[in-house]
Amino acid sequence: NAGVTQTPKFRVLKTGQSMTLLCAQDMNHEYMYWYRQDPGMGLRLIHYSVGEGTTAKGEVPDGYNVSRLKKQNFLLGLESAAPSQTSVYFCASRDDYRANNEQFFGPGTRLTVL
Amino acid sequence: EDKVVQSPLSLVVHEGDTVTLNCSYEVTNFRSLLWYKQEKKAPTFLFMLTSSGIEKKSGRLSSILDKKELFSILNITATQTGDSAIYLCAVGRAPLYDMRFGAGTRLTVKP
Repeated sequence: NAGVTQTPKFRVLKTGQSMTLLCAQDMNHEYMYWYRQDPGMGLRLIHYSVGEGTTAKGEVPDGYNVSRLKKQNFLLGLESAAPSQTSVYFCASRDDYRANNEQFFGPGTRLTVL
Repeated sequence: EDKVVQSPLSLVVHEGDTVTLNCSYEVTNFRSLLWYKQEKKAPTFLFMLTSSGIEKKSGRLSSILDKKELFSILNITATQTGDSAIYLCAVGRAPLYDMRFGAGTRLTVKP
């Protein structure tokens, strides 16, 4: 039982390049989330999904797209990376049947855009 | 606009001290308040609070929520160097349980 995993762990992009971050969970959770964390700003929600085939915008969705084609995977895409997207990205998931709406986090992806 | 404000932003104490971390919030459709500890990587869950006045405890850590005054505190007694971390407060919103996080309090415990 690996929990929440993220691929890759580190990445350096040039401005204008595209990439996809993969989040996978093996806990059969319905809800999945993508956050970014910048110094002094806590975690900010980018997009989230309440089930396979659904997505919704969070606080800071601009410049990102997401897809949830399979229940266990949640992909975050950057079509044209910008230096402002340099950040640490965390994926999280939760089970909607638990009374405790704790989210379980992946280890993070450190992205640098030059 | 929803907001979650933590104070102080950073704190330096010595081992054995007691610390109180604060979290105030203004969030629509409040569902719960959660505390997380973040060391080097992913945040790890500490507490979830949904009802006012009921203290949650885990070892030297405890937390309480005041839904009337819209704040929560996290207490750590007899601090140890292993308590050094960023402590994050988050508010879960109904109905879809998206969360709003505060900026965090960076706690440093010196030997």
